[in-house]
Amino acid sequence: AQTVTQSQPEMSVQEAETVTLSCTYDTSESDYYLFWYKQPPSRQMILVIRQEAYKQQNATENRFSVNFQKAAKSFSLKISDSQLGDAAMYFCASMDSSYKLIFGSGTRLLVRP
Amino acid sequence: GAVVSQHPSWVICKSGTSVKIECRSLDFQATTMFWYRQFPKQSLMLMATSNEGSKATYEQGVEKDKFLINHASLTLSTLTVTSAHPEDSSFYICSAGAGDSQDTQYFGPGTRLTVL
Repeated sequence: AQTVTQSQPEMSVQEAETVTLSCTYDTSESDYYLFWYKQPPSRQMILVIRQEAYKQQNATENRFSVNFQKAAKSFSLKISDSQLGDAAMYFCASMDSSYKLIFGSGTRLLVRP
Repeated sequence: GAVVSQHPSWVICKSGTSVKIECRSLDFQATTMFWYRQFPKQSLMLMATSNEGSKATYEQGVEKDKFLINHASLTLSTLTVTSAHPEDSSFYICSAGAGDSQDTQYFGPGTRLTVL
C-alpha cells in the first residue's frame, strides 16, 4: 500500500522568492513514480513535475525542481522566482505498478505581491 | 498533448435519481481510466479503476452498486451515481493514460455533482 503525507496545509511566499513544499511517502514497491500536481481554482489538475524512483538525478522543470531523497522517502518541491500564477493547491502523489495515483492531503500556496 | 474531457461539467439532481458522468479521451485510446472523488478543500481519493471491456475494480470502501462504472470503448468511461443522496455531492474527476505512457495520467476537468 502507498501513503503520501503533506504536513504543510498552507504555505506563503513573497513574489519572486523561493518556497519549498514538503512531501513524504511510503511504498513497498521498488519501481514507482512521484509527482507534484497543481490544482488552481478551476480545479483542473496540472502536472508540475515527475520523478522516476530509479533515477537519482532530481527532476527540474524551469522554475520547479524537486529534492528526491529515496532512502528518507522524501520528495519536496522547490519553486523559484515565485509568481502570482503559482498560487494554487499543490498535491504530491505516488504511483505504483498499477498506475494508480495516491495523493497527499495538499498544500495551499499563497503568493504575496 | 493528450486531452481528457468530462461531461457534464456540473449537474444538480434530486435525491433518489441517478446521474451519469462521461469521461472521454479525445485524441488517444485509453484501456484504463481512473475515477477520483474530491470533497471541498480535501484531496483526491481514488474510487475505482475502469478497465476497457471488463469489470471495474473498486477501492476499499467504495460501493460498487452505488457507483457503476462502464468502459465500453477505448475512449469512453462512464460513472453512474445511482440513487444519489446529498452525501454523494462532490467533485468527480477522471484520468487516463495514453498508450505506453500509462505512468503519465491526463486529467479531465472534473464534474461537480450537487444532490438536493
